Amino acid sequence: SQTIHQWPATLVQPVGSPLSLECTVEGTSNPNLYWYRQAAGRGLQLLFYSVGIGQISSEVPQNLSASRPQDRQFILSSKKLLLSDSGFYLCAWSALRTGARAFFGQGTRLTVV
Amino acid sequence: GNSVTQMEGPVTLSEEAFLTINCTYTATGYPSLFWYVQYPGEGLQLLLKATKADDKGSNKGFEATYRKETTSFHLEKGSVQVSDSAVYFCALSKLGLIQGAQKLVFGQGTRLTINP
Repeated sequence: SQTIHQWPATLVQPVGSPLSLECTVEGTSNPNLYWYRQAAGRGLQLLFYSVGIGQISSEVPQNLSASRPQDRQFILSSKKLLLSDSGFYLCAWSALRTGARAFFGQGTRLTVV
Repeated sequence: GNSVTQMEGPVTLSEEAFLTINCTYTATGYPSLFWYVQYPGEGLQLLLKATKADDKGSNKGFEATYRKETTSFHLEKGSVQVSDSAVYFCALSKLGLIQGAQKLVFGQGTRLTINP
């Protein structure tokens, strides 16, 4: 069966420090991969999605970047965190076909102080 | 661009009441439509989906019909239970800019509380 792992679960980082959140998927190949930010009252904002290694689509201009070094690995990064980067980050995957459902990781609560 | 608009929350109902959570979308062509649910302390999970016009998705007593003419996918349940208390997200998926990629876009979520 397929599983998705996202870590860490919580993270407190100072302003200006770098960030690296990792997401890995097991039990499937060639998944669509996604990074979302969930803010209170704002729902799920799509940050990045990827169809394959090295293929990243960015949805909103921001202080974050994403990379996909391996087929089932998706990394969310920042060189210098801002206070506004605080939030709840979710990784997800779906199969590469129309109408496929998404499966979500447990999320990372990031607090920038 | 593609977007989803959901009814503002929070919504509070009594047990056994009828529920409707409105959802409308903007997209070219024929997106797939979904409702996801997030129960307290749990991750997001799929509730139901519909992949073409006039399809009805259903699960756990919830239903939603894909209405192309009104670009809507309203969630309904005839008699809600306390255990239905959760945050509900409407979503659509559409082919993205990268060939083959599905872009999955969510609404802002509606918090539902059911009182006994």
